[in-house]
Amino acid sequence: QKEVEQNSGPLSVPEGAIASLNCTYSDRGSQSFFWYRQYSGKSPELIMSIYSNGDKEDGRFTAQLNKASQYVSLLIRDSQPSDSATYLCAVEGSGYSTLTFGKGTMLLVSP
Amino acid sequence: DAGITQSPRHKVTETGTPVTLRCHQTENHRYMYWYRQDPGHGLRLIHYSYGVKDTDKGEVSDGYSVSRSKTEDFLLTLESATSSQTSVYFCAISVGGEGMNTEAFFGQGTRLTVV
Repeated sequence: QKEVEQNSGPLSVPEGAIASLNCTYSDRGSQSFFWYRQYSGKSPELIMSIYSNGDKEDGRFTAQLNKASQYVSLLIRDSQPSDSATYLCAVEGSGYSTLTFGKGTMLLVSP
Repeated sequence: DAGITQSPRHKVTETGTPVTLRCHQTENHRYMYWYRQDPGHGLRLIHYSYGVKDTDKGEVSDGYSVSRSKTEDFLLTLESATSSQTSVYFCAISVGGEGMNTEAFFGQGTRLTVV
């Protein structure tokens, strides 16, 4: 059974701070990793994908991958109240691009 | 929205009745998926399709069937709905196909309540 673990939170940070979200996965053969943002009552929205070890930056978002430690993280710099949402970590499983999701971490950014 | 439309968006049905949810895409993507999302469980894969008439089971497929008779439509059927199938159902498509550098995009979701 492939597993993806996330701290459920909530993670509370003040506006302007760096939010750090973490994820671990069990399948050492996984190759593709994703972060989705989901606002309450809405569908998941892809914000970052990462495929190789190291950092990947896109605007205020940085994804970090360490395959040896089976660890993925998402950093959100200069956090804004509009970043308040649940962040889902997803790991690609089979050759048919199916995803295994963590249960999500709720982020609350206070003004 | 990646050209994905789910219908209906909301449905209330009675226990024991059949229910079909539809996912329609406009961009001829080969891979399509049905997930359900429940509090405390996150998103879980029900079934997926890798082509017309090519489907396979996911993690929580019991009580569900799917069909894909044309590229653009992927149907999820609950043959006899139960209260445990009350959930939010999301359809997704995968851009890029097999292997590396694929990304999944989700439809708006269908909120199903079985009473």
